[in-house]
Formats: sequence, structure tokens, C-alpha cells
Amino acid sequence: SQQGEEDPQALSIQEGENATMNCSYKTSINNLQWYRQNSGRGLVHLILIRSNEREKHSGRLRVTLDTSKKSSSLLITASRAADTASYFCATDGASGSRLTFGEGTQLTVNP
Amino acid sequence: DVKVTQSSRYLVKRTGEKVFLECVQDMDHENMFWYRQDPGLGLRLIYFSYDVKMKEKGDIPEGYSVSREKKERFSLILESASTNQTSMYLCASSFYPGPHSNEQFFGPGTRLTVL
Repeated sequence: SQQGEEDPQALSIQEGENATMNCSYKTSINNLQWYRQNSGRGLVHLILIRSNEREKHSGRLRVTLDTSKKSSSLLITASRAADTASYFCATDGASGSRLTFGEGTQLTVNP
Repeated sequence: DVKVTQSSRYLVKRTGEKVFLECVQDMDHENMFWYRQDPGLGLRLIYFSYDVKMKEKGDIPEGYSVSREKKERFSLILESASTNQTSMYLCASSFYPGPHSNEQFFGPGTRLTVL
């Protein structure tokens, strides 16, 4: 099964609202990453948080990591219609090997 | 900026054909990856490579092979295409060598249909 699992599977909000997506994983990690995918395109890296970090910011993005609960959240503040996309979390294993992606959250931001 | 290109955006092939999907990156990255993406299944790793002429099986290597003769190019080969290989194929690369996880840069994807 997938290492990372996103929740919810789909999220629909109005422009200006905040969007929160969650990711749970099963095994120990070195870091956790979030990616974005516009429809029919490749993935784009958004942010990486290391296992010894608890929170990280990048522009309107805020990521938290709770290694005791094996979970992470991605918060997008003041959402825009252009934020409409699928968002994936990706984890590595404790050995720092390749990434395993979750199934993604489909975010729709309505103008 | 890192650029990862894939040879085709859309490809239609017939069952039994040999199919080549090409991926090229221009930033001298050591690591390259091939994924397939299907609805409800997310991204699944087919093969990856940490160096020239080196390859490692991912989670779903059956029915696929790869070639990495040059550092910048990683090819995915479907020896005999089947309808269950209809999917979106994504290539990615990353910078650091060895088993250290880091940011992956993705190509635009190839949507392959096998009839």
C-alpha cells in the first residue's frame, strides 16, 4: 500500500478561504515533501520538511510535521482560483531511498 | 531552471508493439525515475537509476525495461505493449547521488494509449 495517504481526497472551497490537506504515512522518514500537479501535467515540488522540523513556511504555504503521529498537513492561505490542482505528499524511507507518493488531494478553488 | 523533457505528450500504440518513452534532463542530475499514474492509484514507481548504466526495479517493473546509456537520458521500454499499460507516464530526476532523498523534478508526462 502507499506510504503516504492524503485526506481529504477532494476539497472544494471559495477563493480567499484557506485550504488544509493532510497526509499520513506508515514508516520512519528522513523528510516529507509536498508536490502540486495541474491537470494533465507533471508534478511540481512545493516544499520539503525534514524529520527534525515541525513547521515550515513558503509564501502562502505552511507545512507541519508530527513524526509521533506520522502525519503532515499542508495549509494554503488566501486561496486563489489558480491554486486549483492535485496536491501530493511524498515520503522517503528511513534509509533515504526513493520517494513514495500518496494518491493526492484534488483541490478546487471556486472564483 | 531544471528542465525535464519527455519525447511525446500523447502516444497511441497497438497491442504487441514495442514502445520507447524517452526522457532527457539538462541539469546533470544523477538520479532519474519512471512512474506511471492511474486514477485512484496515485504515482507508482516503475524503475529508477542512480547512475549511468545502473537501474533498480521499483514497485511495478513487470512488462517494462529501462536503459540509461548517458547520464542525461533515461528510456522506458515496453517490450510488448498491452492494454493494461495504458496510463500517464511521468519521468523525474533529482540532483544528489546515492540513496539520499531530495526534490524531484518532473517532465510534463506522456499519455500512452494502447489499443
